[in-house]
Amino acid sequence: QQQVKQSPQSLIVQKGGISIINCAYENTAFDYFPWYQQFPGKGPALLIAIRPDVSEKKEGRFTISFNKSAKQFSLHIMDSQPGDSATYFCAASIGTSGSRLTFGEGTQLTVNP
Amino acid sequence: SQTIHQWPATLVQPVGSPLSLECTVEGTSNPNLYWYRQAAGRGLQLLFYSVGIGQISSEVPQNLSASRPQDRQFILSSKKLLLSDSGFYLCAWSADSWEFFGPGTRLTVL
Repeated sequence: QQQVKQSPQSLIVQKGGISIINCAYENTAFDYFPWYQQFPGKGPALLIAIRPDVSEKKEGRFTISFNKSAKQFSLHIMDSQPGDSATYFCAASIGTSGSRLTFGEGTQLTVNP
Repeated sequence: SQTIHQWPATLVQPVGSPLSLECTVEGTSNPNLYWYRQAAGRGLQLLFYSVGIGQISSEVPQNLSASRPQDRQFILSSKKLLLSDSGFYLCAWSADSWEFFGPGTRLTVL
């Protein structure tokens, strides 16, 4: 049973626009929510992460918004650039010390110039 | 700093042949280690994970196996490859909440 649902599967945005990717989870025990960015032929790389004690975390043009009551979190990419074109995965885990991550299915983002 | 290596980078194998993919981690001790498979345009499927030497947990029944002969070495094997084994194989390690992925091995079974 998939525990993290990610949408949309694919997203096309114009340069300078805002890209928004959403994830919903089922397990209320999840307390760590990272996002990964994967370029073609490369391994995923940690992009940004959030814990449920905050509702928003921003790093540069990337922002995670977290809604604990709705069990949803989202990634916003402001001023999207062609170089942001990649596949993005949300994930969730319980606790720390190497708990396994449950990944969403991924969103393929294309930013047109 | 920590580094994760995978080899080979690409591999083309005939159906029925054996497989051995290797992953090593540098700069950390006693990491959790993971093998994932990613089909073209698809998500990450966890195949195996290990919390220590000789300790392997399998997530998906299949003709693949994993071994961890040393603390920072993780090996993915098969005795006889199937066409469906084609994909992008990723090794990852973690010592805290997040996982760090290796560069991957592109396996094509013909």
